[in-house]
Amino acid sequence: NAGVTQTPKFRVLKTGQSMTLLCAQDMNHEYMYWYRQDPGMGLRLIHYSVGEGTTAKGEVPDGYNVSRLKKQNFLLGLESAAPSQTSVYFCASIFVAGGREQEQYFGPGTRLTVT
Amino acid sequence: AQKITQTQPGMFVQEKEAVTLDCTYDTSDQSYGLFWYKQPSSGEMIFLIYQGSYDEQNATEGRYSLNFQKARKSANLVISASQLGDSAMYFCAMREGTYKYIFGTGTRLKVLA
Repeated sequence: NAGVTQTPKFRVLKTGQSMTLLCAQDMNHEYMYWYRQDPGMGLRLIHYSVGEGTTAKGEVPDGYNVSRLKKQNFLLGLESAAPSQTSVYFCASIFVAGGREQEQYFGPGTRLTVT
Repeated sequence: AQKITQTQPGMFVQEKEAVTLDCTYDTSDQSYGLFWYKQPSSGEMIFLIYQGSYDEQNATEGRYSLNFQKARKSANLVISASQLGDSAMYFCAMREGTYKYIFGTGTRLKVLA
């Protein structure tokens, strides 16, 4: 079991470039999340998905798009990167089972720098 | 309005002593969940402990316990017998609605030898 993996681990972009971050989980989890972590801000939810083919906006969705074409994968896209998107990005997933609360399983994070 | 408040940006504790990290929350939901995560300097997020809003007893996991005071809307993390490896950032989080999570800004704990 690899758990939650994120690709890439590090990336440097120039302003205006685009990129896609990949999150993959092998635990058959229904719900997946993308967060960004900035110093002093904690984790803020960008987008999330409650199942294959469905996505929803979180607290800070502007400038990002997501897709969940397969249950195990959740992609985060930046169409035109801006320096304000310099951050550490975390993916997480949970398994929703019969009334029992589950903790989120987190990926290792992707450190993105936009110059 | 901030829904999860961690008022201690940084804390120090002597090795082997207990420490309490504060967390207050704000929600109008009757059903919610409260979580604590640890983030060491290596960056990964490690789940520590969970408390459900309907749980009558405080949650405990080894050296971690959650002091849940529902009327005060507080969910403080207590770490007993602190170890050097406990030095890290600690985040309080709340599940509200249908599996949407909100995190606090964190408390940086430093354990002193």
